[in-house]
Amino acid sequence: GQNIDQPTEMTATEGAIVQINCTYQTSGFNGLFWYQQHAGEAPTFLSYNVLDGLEEKGRFSSFLSRSKGYSYLLLKELQMKDSASYLCAVSPNRDDKIIFGKGTRLHILP
Amino acid sequence: EPEVTQTPSHQVTQMGQEVILRCVPISNHLYFYWYRQILGQKVEFLVSFYNNEISEKSEIFDDQFSVERPDGSNFTLKIRSTKLEDSAMYFCASSENTSGREQYFGPGTRLTVT
Repeated sequence: GQNIDQPTEMTATEGAIVQINCTYQTSGFNGLFWYQQHAGEAPTFLSYNVLDGLEEKGRFSSFLSRSKGYSYLLLKELQMKDSASYLCAVSPNRDDKIIFGKGTRLHILP
Repeated sequence: EPEVTQTPSHQVTQMGQEVILRCVPISNHLYFYWYRQILGQKVEFLVSFYNNEISEKSEIFDDQFSVERPDGSNFTLKIRSTKLEDSAMYFCASSENTSGREQYFGPGTRLTVT
């Protein structure tokens, strides 16, 4: 089976740093994605990891450990507009679908 | 910046009716997908399409569903006889290559079945 786990909700303060964790168990692995989704909108791509380690892109970084089936998304210098759901997703094989977790709803407090 | 477009943005239909949801993927992309998201739930894969044929489909994608690329630009999802539980946001996505990297999502069509 395919299973992706992430916390349901998190709260952080504007200007702070937050780490959203994700663990996965899938039949195969061809990469892990993080998407951002504002309420009522489409998911937008944030990051992709296929090798172990940290990928940094501006205020956002994503880490992957394939042996542990673990990833995290790190958001720095939080802004109010970062209030959204963050979706961890895995591509289990080379060709096709992305399997999404249920998402972590991040609330930013002023 | 190129983007995936979808029409209509909102479709209301009666149970048992057929609906067609339309998507225009990014022009140089070769791989096309449909996902759905029931309100408050996770995004679920429906089907992937490449080289004018389905490459993978989920358990959700039963005989009531079909996809088509009728011309060089459009990609459609048809639901033959809608059920109440088909009410969801339907997202089209496209990607340039097979590695699954960076699927670009359209804005979605909200389907309401009454």
